[in-house]
This record gives sequence, structure tokens and C-alpha cells, in this order.
Amino acid sequence: QVQVVQSGAEVKKPGASVKVSCKAFGYTFTSYAMHWVRQAPGQRLEWMGWINTGNGNTQSSQKFQGRVTIARDTSASTAYMELSSLRSEDTAVYFCARGMAAADPESHFDYWGQGTLVTVSS
Amino acid sequence: DIQMTQSPSSVSASVGDRVTITCRASQGIGTWLAWYQQKPGKAPKLLIYAASSLQRGVPSRFSGSGSGTDFTLTISSLQPEDFATYYCQQANSFPVTFGQGTRLEIK
Repeated sequence: QVQVVQSGAEVKKPGASVKVSCKAFGYTFTSYAMHWVRQAPGQRLEWMGWINTGNGNTQSSQKFQGRVTIARDTSASTAYMELSSLRSEDTAVYFCARGMAAADPESHFDYWGQGTLVTVSS
Repeated sequence: DIQMTQSPSSVSASVGDRVTITCRASQGIGTWLAWYQQKPGKAPKLLIYAASSLQRGVPSRFSGSGSGTDFTLTISSLQPEDFATYYCQQANSFPVTFGQGTRLEIK
């Protein structure tokens, strides 16, 4: 069955970078987009960006432009999200989520990873 | 960005009750609206997409309606497993945005 499995929790110092992975199982990886959504403690879900897994094109929210890099490895059915210049406000759970639209950033999300807690603390 | 506002922010109800949650978009989004259920420490789960389409495997006691700017999620008869936080999400305009959530608590 369809599953999306993320890498484990991370603790980082301010100014560092973090890279989260997201491995897909049970479907053709390149047929669906992958999105990244984060949730700070007690806050609403916040969309960060997406990757067209077929052609590798990416797009991110203006809020994260210049700090987020999204990539994929089709041979490993895995997507990656790297966030740089971390600050305490980036402490959150980061989710990857499969897009129902194959090639649109405007999409609903039908399968989600389990979440990766990233803690930014000195 | 389109702002999504849910009401109420929290609601208390009993098993068997009918509950309705509303979501308002700051501008028209057609029927590009989804509803998600999230339990503590878990990922969101898609319930409804395209405003009224039930995701496969979701119980029929969940239903969605609306178009334009006003939407509702209705749970016809609350079950113990339904106590959670519910989020709406618009997918009409970039970037997609979520409501602030409605916490459904046991009375």
C-alpha cells in the first residue's frame, strides 16, 4: 500500500542546515508531486514548497525562498528538503505529503509522512 | 495569500452528536477545498477533497459542502475516534494555505 516514510528527528544549532528525507513506497514515485508542509508548536500547517518528481522542477513559498532546497532521487523514490540558516522559529514538525495533482503546486494532499521534528536550539 | 478562517476554534460535543465546522476563504476558491483530521503527534489525514468528495476509506458520517468562500464539514454522528483537530486547506491559488484548526473535544 502507499506509504511515505521520513527520516528521524534532528537537533540543530542556530545558523546550521537540516536535510529531511521522504521515501515513497507502493506507487510510481514520478507520477505524483511531493510537497513539504511544516507545523510549529501549537500553530497551523504551513506549506513550504513542492517538487515535480517527474521533471525535478521545484517551487517554494516566498517565505522560504533562498533558504529551502527541495530535490529528489528517482532511483531511490526519495524526496529531500533542506532548510538553511536555521533559527529558533524553525523549530517544528516537518511533513512531506503526496500531491493529488501530478504537476501543480495547488493541490490537496492524500498521503503524508509521519513527520520529522526539527529542534533548533543553542 | 488567501486567508482561511475556521469557526469555531474549539467545540465540545458528545458521542452521537452532529457537529458542523465552518471554513471561510478571504476570496473565492471555487470548490478547491479539503478537510483534514489530525490527532496529537500524528500527520494530518485527508477526509474530504474538492469541497465534497469523500476520500477513499473515510467513513460516510463525514461530509463536506460549499463553494466560493464558505464551506462546512459535518460529522453526522460523532464517534470516540473523531475527537481530534480539523483543518481546512485551499488549493485554488498559490501558495496553498490552511485554516487555523478546530479542536473537537469530548464534552
